[in-house]
Amino acid sequence: DTGVSQNPRHKITKRGQNVTFRCDPISEHNRLYWYRQTLGQGPEFLTYFQNEAQLEKSRLLSDRFSAERPKGSFSTLEIQRTEQGDSAMYLCASSLNGDDQPQHFGDGTRLSIL
Amino acid sequence: EDQVTQSPEALRLQEGESSSLNCSYTVSGLRGLFWYRQDPGKGPEFLFTLYSAGEEKEKERLKATLTKKESFLHITAPKPEDSATYLCAVGYSSASKIIFGSGTRLSIRP
Repeated sequence: DTGVSQNPRHKITKRGQNVTFRCDPISEHNRLYWYRQTLGQGPEFLTYFQNEAQLEKSRLLSDRFSAERPKGSFSTLEIQRTEQGDSAMYLCASSLNGDDQPQHFGDGTRLSIL
Repeated sequence: EDQVTQSPEALRLQEGESSSLNCSYTVSGLRGLFWYRQDPGKGPEFLFTLYSAGEEKEKERLKATLTKKESFLHITAPKPEDSATYLCAVGYSSASKIIFGSGTRLSIRP
């Protein structure tokens, strides 16, 4: 399967712990996006990379959140000192270069904060 | 403010009963309007991109159309396997991100 891959699929952690998620995009895609989705809502943009450069970050992305994409391949999203409000589905998408290109999504990581 | 609104929030149809879902948008400089299907516990699955008013795209029982202010996703003679949440998203000229609507939960009864 050559789609977007995300790991882990589920993560349960205690409040205050740090968590890290991984995303492997479609190989020929140089753009990679992170979104957060809560129940009954559409995905909300968090940040995106073009190759290894992080070009835009949402106001939703507090200083507890950090994303990296070393060498322009896979990406990681880390949340430090997790809070109850961080419980959500974290989705990764990738696309070819261009703002008019469709984004292709992985199946997400569901984060639950105890 | 750039915004995407989908209606209805939920729609229940009998198998074979055709209907339409609406996506209205207020953005400056539309770069593309995207339709996705999302099944429970899965990520959104790309369906269509529409770029300019008057454009139409079709796939099986689905047909998407676009005007300057809204898009419609028409579903003809739906089957139970068409049950899902359908999401609309818009890309616009002042940003590289896309904005999603809240989706329409479609349920098709056999």
